[in-house]
Amino acid sequence: QVVLTQSPSASASLGASVNLTCTLSSGHSSYAIAWHQQQPEKGPRYLMKLSSDGSHSKGDNIPDRFSGSSSGAERYLTISSLQSDDEADYYCQTWVTGTWVFGGGTKVTVL
Amino acid sequence: EVQLLECGGGLVQPGGSLRLSCAASGFTFSNYAMTWVRQAPGKGLEWVSGIIDSGGSTYYADSVKGRFTISRDNSKNTLYLQMNSLRAEDTAVYYCAKVGSATVGYFDYWGQGTLVTVSS
Repeated sequence: QVVLTQSPSASASLGASVNLTCTLSSGHSSYAIAWHQQQPEKGPRYLMKLSSDGSHSKGDNIPDRFSGSSSGAERYLTISSLQSDDEADYYCQTWVTGTWVFGGGTKVTVL
Repeated sequence: EVQLLECGGGLVQPGGSLRLSCAASGFTFSNYAMTWVRQAPGKGLEWVSGIIDSGGSTYYADSVKGRFTISRDNSKNTLYLQMNSLRAEDTAVYYCAKVGSATVGYFDYWGQGTLVTVSS
C-alpha cells in the first residue's frame, strides 16, 4: 500500500519562495504524483502531474510560479514569488489500479 | 470548459440513505474514469470511490465498502454515488473529480462539492 507523507505546515514571506515535499513510501519511488491546491472555503484545484524524472504537466491557467521536481522518492512543489492567494492547503495524490491515495496536506502561510 | 456540478447533499439521520449526482460537461464523459473524494470538517482529502470509463469496474475505500455504490450514466454525462447505512463519520463535503485517463491516474478537474451531514 503506497503512502504519501507531507509536512503539516510551511510558511514564507510575501514575494519569497516556498518548497513543499511529498515523500512516497518505500518501494514506490517510481510513482508519479499530482499536486492540488485548496484555498480556504473552496474546492481543490489541480496544479500539476509530476513524474519520477521530474517532468511535469500543469493544469489550466496555472502560473509559471508553480513548478515541480523529483529526487528519488521525493516529489517537490516550489511556489515562487509568493502571493497572498497562494495561502492554501496543498495535497499530493497518487494512484494504483483500484485505489487513489492522498497525502495529509501541507498548509502554506504567507507571512 | 470542463464543469463538474455535484448535487444531492443534505442532512440525513444515521442509518439513512442519500444519492449524490455529478453532472459533467465540457469533455467526452464516456472516455474518462471518475471518482468521488470527501473532506470531513477540518480534515484532509479522502478518496471514496472510483469508476472506469465504461462503468465496468468500480473501486471503493475500505471505509465505505459495502455501504456506498458508485455508478455512471454515460448517456446523461452523470456520475452517481448511492450512500446507504450512513454514519456520523460520513459527514463531509463530497467532491466528484475527473480522472485524466480511462482507468486510473491523477485528478485533473474537480467539482465544487456538496455537503452531507449525518446527524440525528
